[in-house]
Amino acid sequence: QKEVEQNSGPLSVPEGAIASLNCTYSDRVSQSFFWYRQYSGKSPELIMSIYSNGDKEDGRFTAQLNKASQYVSLLIRDSQPSDSATYLCAATSGGSYIPTFGRGTSLIVHP
Amino acid sequence: SAVISQKPSRDICQRGTSLTIQCQVDSQVTMMFWYRQQPGQSLTLIATANQGSEATYESGFVIDKFPISRPNLTFSTLTVSNMSPEDSSIYLCSVVWGASGELFFGEGSRLTVL
Repeated sequence: QKEVEQNSGPLSVPEGAIASLNCTYSDRVSQSFFWYRQYSGKSPELIMSIYSNGDKEDGRFTAQLNKASQYVSLLIRDSQPSDSATYLCAATSGGSYIPTFGRGTSLIVHP
Repeated sequence: SAVISQKPSRDICQRGTSLTIQCQVDSQVTMMFWYRQQPGQSLTLIATANQGSEATYESGFVIDKFPISRPNLTFSTLTVSNMSPEDSSIYLCSVVWGASGELFFGEGSRLTVL
């Protein structure tokens, strides 16, 4: 059973701080990793994908992948109240395009 | 990314009735899926919608309850049959887009069964 684990939170950070969201996965052969943002009442929106060990930066977002430790993280710099949402981690493996999703971490950025 | 349109965006239905959700994509896509998201939960894959053939259902989901059609590479429907309050969820159409295999979602259809 492939599993993707996330702390449900909520993670509360002050505006301007770095928010760090973490995710672990059980399938050692997982190949592709994704972070989605989901605002309340809305559908998930893809914000980052990462395929290789190391860091990948896109604006205020940095995804970090460590395949040896089987974790992937998302850092949000200069957090804004508009970043308050649930962040879903997802992973695919075995050549499948169908990701396994975590339960999501609720992030609250307070002014 | 592809533009994915779903309708209805929301509906309130009576127990025992059926509702069909439509998903329209602005480009041809090979892989299309239907997900369910129950209140406060993560995403659960219902089935893969296969063009021109029967959908592939995940464990716990059956064709009689969730019939799916996919007549072409841009359109699919999901029917929720004989609804009960437990079917109250958001139903999401999604497609794989691009060589990187990224999954994109429609706006979702929020279904409430009374």
